[in-house]
Amino acid sequence: EVQVVESGGGLVQPGGSLRLSCAASGFTFSTSWMSWVRQAPGKGLEWVANIKYDGSEKHYVDSVKGRFTISRDNAQNSLYVQMNSLRDEDTALYYCARDGARGFAFDIWGQGTMVTVSS
Amino acid sequence: QSALTQPASVSGSPGQSITISCTGTSSDVADYNYVSWYQQHPGEAPKLMIYDVTNRPSGVSDRFSGSKSGNTASLTISGLQAEDEADYYCTSYTSRSTYVFGTGTKVTVL
Repeated sequence: EVQVVESGGGLVQPGGSLRLSCAASGFTFSTSWMSWVRQAPGKGLEWVANIKYDGSEKHYVDSVKGRFTISRDNAQNSLYVQMNSLRDEDTALYYCARDGARGFAFDIWGQGTMVTVSS
Repeated sequence: QSALTQPASVSGSPGQSITISCTGTSSDVADYNYVSWYQQHPGEAPKLMIYDVTNRPSGVSDRFSGSKSGNTASLTISGLQAEDEADYYCTSYTSRSTYVFGTGTKVTVL
């Protein structure tokens, strides 16, 4: 079965750090661009970052540049995002998605992992 | 990067056709044929409905179609059905090698 499963979410204080993981299966992870997309409670979708299949290219939305780092381990079929200096506005459901296999679009999504930044 | 502009809500009766617009800029929608559309039911993950402006993934009903003119892309749902009631989001690739999502549209089937 083609799927991605996110994990690592939780409650963290402002200024704190968290690392999210995404385990992929059922497709060739090592040839797939991957993205993180988030959705604040009751709000719309926001693209956060993506990474090329070999890790040589990474792109970020301005609001997380310098704070978030996307990475991957193709041997483990896993995607990560290290989130530092977390802010209240980073509170959201974080989705992992396959990027670029169907044109420039996200065709495989997980169920998300919730990150809550609060004191 | 500002979000693409979508109407907050669109409604229609069963069997009717509705169109959702998605307005961007010369740095995204106008300059690239890389607009995609997603359907999201409450409590569920988004589902890809249209990619690269007009293409439908296998398994998506042909009642869904996409188009683009200038800096505005559109999603049309024909033969509206109760199961189409959901939130819809557009997204576009941008000149900064990033993506930007639309503000989202709630579709109501009357």
